[in-house]
Amino acid sequence: QSALTQPRSVSGSPGQSVTISCTGTNGDVGGYNYVSWYQQYPGKAPKLMIYDVSKRASGVPDRFSGSKSGNTASLTISGLQAEDEADYYCCSYAGSYLRVFGGGTKLTVL
Amino acid sequence: QVQLQASGPGLVRPSETLSLTCSVSGGSIGTYYWSWIRQPPGEGLEWIGYIYYTGATSYTPSLKSRVTISVDTSKIQFSLNLRSVTAADTAVYYCARHILEPGREAFDIWDQGTMVTVSS
Repeated sequence: QSALTQPRSVSGSPGQSVTISCTGTNGDVGGYNYVSWYQQYPGKAPKLMIYDVSKRASGVPDRFSGSKSGNTASLTISGLQAEDEADYYCCSYAGSYLRVFGGGTKLTVL
Repeated sequence: QVQLQASGPGLVRPSETLSLTCSVSGGSIGTYYWSWIRQPPGEGLEWIGYIYYTGATSYTPSLKSRVTISVDTSKIQFSLNLRSVTAADTAVYYCARHILEPGREAFDIWDQGTMVTVSS
């Protein structure tokens, strides 16, 4: 059971769109529609943003959207705002009652 | 509004057992799964395992031989025991409510995290 692969960092200017990828295998991301995304500010607990690949958690702006193609899930943030600067983690069901996280992506708003 | 609050020592000696308890307030411990997740300094998140209120558990393979998660429904709390710790177990430990139902799977409520350092 290996961690899902995310880019270490992504960046974008205010108003732009950015996409963070999360690549796994047929045994996790590709095999189930149970991918979730979490936003984490420094020193704070993670916050659920997206679950079941594309469903927004309560109170999450519709600028945040999720999708999946094959073994890769994606989080897209449109209309980038300064407050979106944070770390983002994906997580997937990995079969046999197991869960696996991605390594995390640091989003910088230029 | 369900809230989670973890408690336990912030310093554990090598080879000893790390023990944390997570208290659930504002809601029931039944119906839901409850997970422990950790984050070493400067690193990513690692799912440790979960427990259902019935006592059913699942653990990540890399820690399975050293970890036990238990639940006390009368006290509305669940606990983590990690045996034979080393410096590699130094991390912020989070407890989280784990929604696990048809059409919905996620960690939706987290505590603020407890930093545990393994050092002599």
